[in-house]
Amino acid sequence: DAGVIQSPRHEVTEMGQEVTLRCKPISGHDYLFWYRQTMMRGLELLIYFNNNVPIDDSGMPEDRFSAKMPNASFSTLKIQPSEPRDSAVYFCASSPFGRGNQPQHFGDGTRLSIL
Amino acid sequence: QKEVEQNSGPLSVPEGAIASLNCTYSDRGSQSFFWYRQYSGKSPELIMFIYSNGDKEDGRFTAQLNKASQYVSLLIRDSQPSDSATYLCAVGPDTGFQKLVFGTGTRLLVSP
Repeated sequence: DAGVIQSPRHEVTEMGQEVTLRCKPISGHDYLFWYRQTMMRGLELLIYFNNNVPIDDSGMPEDRFSAKMPNASFSTLKIQPSEPRDSAVYFCASSPFGRGNQPQHFGDGTRLSIL
Repeated sequence: QKEVEQNSGPLSVPEGAIASLNCTYSDRGSQSFFWYRQYSGKSPELIMFIYSNGDKEDGRFTAQLNKASQYVSLLIRDSQPSDSATYLCAVGPDTGFQKLVFGTGTRLLVSP
């Protein structure tokens, strides 16, 4: 079975440019999560969706970040304008519905470098 | 602020030994606990999860949960060099919620 698919795998762009990260969750999973990982702060939850609806975006660092999930098989995380401090690895994860917390399955991540 | 604490390591063990990784959490209402393995440059990979007090075994891995003391541990028996990675502990705040809090991870080094 296909896992969580993220694109691009690597992104290098200049400060001020718009960056769009993409994610396809595992088919049938009801929850989708966006995380950011850095050496300094570890793995941080940015936002998560349940059945395409954003539930908690308290981890989104500022208004430059936005996320959408237009349907059950696709989500985007957008940064506009990008800044060097946004450089990190961004992971998307998904999990099925179940009683209590279910295991989350991660994509391979997007390594983002803002110059 | 709900917190999950792990010793950053590195924890060094010889091949064949038992590696013991520990995690403490601050939210007494936590109900679900997960261990992820992350190789350098790769994504977190689920190793085990546990919901009830006690031990849960899966092959060479055993997860141990003690809710009264608010800690969860991961034992790796017969450690192999391929087990060298960072191990992340994740805690679910409450039944019905899907938001996990991750620790910063413990780096494990298994020497041949």
